Amino acid sequence: EDKVVQSPLSLVVHEGDTVTLNCSYEVTNFRSLLWYKQEKKAPTFLFMLTSSGIEKKSGRLSSILDKKELFSILNITATQTGDSAVYLCAVDPARSGTYKYIFGTGTRLKVLA
Amino acid sequence: DADVTQTPRNRITKTGKRIMLECSQTKGHDRMYWYRQDPGLGLRLIYYSFDVKDINKGEISDGYSVSRQAQAKFSLSLESAIPNQTALYFCATSLGQGNTEAFFGQGTRLTVV
Repeated sequence: EDKVVQSPLSLVVHEGDTVTLNCSYEVTNFRSLLWYKQEKKAPTFLFMLTSSGIEKKSGRLSSILDKKELFSILNITATQTGDSAVYLCAVDPARSGTYKYIFGTGTRLKVLA
Repeated sequence: DADVTQTPRNRITKTGKRIMLECSQTKGHDRMYWYRQDPGLGLRLIYYSFDVKDINKGEISDGYSVSRQAQAKFSLSLESAIPNQTALYFCATSLGQGNTEAFFGQGTRLTVV
């Protein structure tokens, strides 16, 4: 059974700290891994990763994929209170003719001022 | 205006009632999805559709049905609502080709009493 596991489940840090969120997966095949940020309601897209070792970066956020070890990390440097959210990891498990996204349960990040 | 619009945003209904959640999109995407989100369980796929003639069950389709009325519209029905269908429901869309992220609506919070 395909699955995506995120850790930690929750995290509390202070502004300025650096955090690393983890996502491991087990899928029959693999097409891509995606990271989303969910603040109030709708998840918003952060990154899509398809190749190992290539870092994706957007401001203070970065992410990298290891297809051999089947995991990805999302780093946030110099955290701000606005980074407080649930971070979701999803994997597209590449079945013929389908594009489905399997989500982990998310990591809830709280950044204290 | 949002690219993916869900109606209603909030709904309280009684056990046994039929209810329909609607989703419309202006992104021109072929693929549409319905997910539900429960605390601690992440996002789980209910149904997905890759075009108006293609409807597929997700991992938790029991108790739900869908209709793809047009490329832009995908509705989710609960024929006889039960309390454990209380959840946050999301509609999402994605492009029809290649690796692509999913775009989410704002969600519908459904409470079955």
